[in-house]
Amino acid sequence: DQQVKQNSPSLSVQEGRISILNCDYTNSMFDYFLWYKKYPAEGPTFLISISSIKDKNEDGRFTVFLNKSAKHLSLHIVPSQPGDSAVYFCAASALTGANNLFFGTGTRLTVIP
Amino acid sequence: NAGVTQTPKFQVLKTGQSMTLQCAQDMNHNSMYWYRQDPGMGLRLIYYSASEGTTDKGEVPNGYNVSRLNKREFSLRLESAAPSQTSVYFCAGGQGETDTQYFGPGTRLTVL
Repeated sequence: DQQVKQNSPSLSVQEGRISILNCDYTNSMFDYFLWYKKYPAEGPTFLISISSIKDKNEDGRFTVFLNKSAKHLSLHIVPSQPGDSAVYFCAASALTGANNLFFGTGTRLTVIP
Repeated sequence: NAGVTQTPKFQVLKTGQSMTLQCAQDMNHNSMYWYRQDPGMGLRLIYYSASEGTTDKGEVPNGYNVSRLNKREFSLRLESAAPSQTSVYFCAGGQGETDTQYFGPGTRLTVL
């Protein structure tokens, strides 16, 4: 049973516009959430994270929003750049348990120049 | 500072053959992890090691064994490879109160 879900396999956005990637989770014990970016033939690269005590975390062009009541988080990229084209994975963990990450299936973002 | 390294990058095996995937990290991480990535499945945890000398099963451990040789190295062994183990394997390291994990470049394994 997939505990972390990314329901959009792909997303295309014009350069300079906002990209919004969504993620839903089912396990209410999750209290730490991460986004990873993956280019072909490379390992996932950590992008940004958020603890459940916050509802927003920002790092440059990247902002993650967390809605605990809806068990939903989103990653906003503003402005989008062609180099942002990659697969984005959402991941979650329960810090009070074993340090295991549960990953979504990924969303392929294409930024069109 | 290479981060997390994995060898080999590519491997083709025949059904029933064995092999060991190697992983090393120079980031002084206490925890290390092995994942597999299959199309449409995201990354799934095979085994992890919370500290040197300990290992635990993840979500999909069947058909695999691991060894935490020392703090730097964590190997994954396939004793008798099966076509269902065709996948891309990623090793990761992490530590601290958060679960931020840092990944190696991956090993693409094909079992014929």
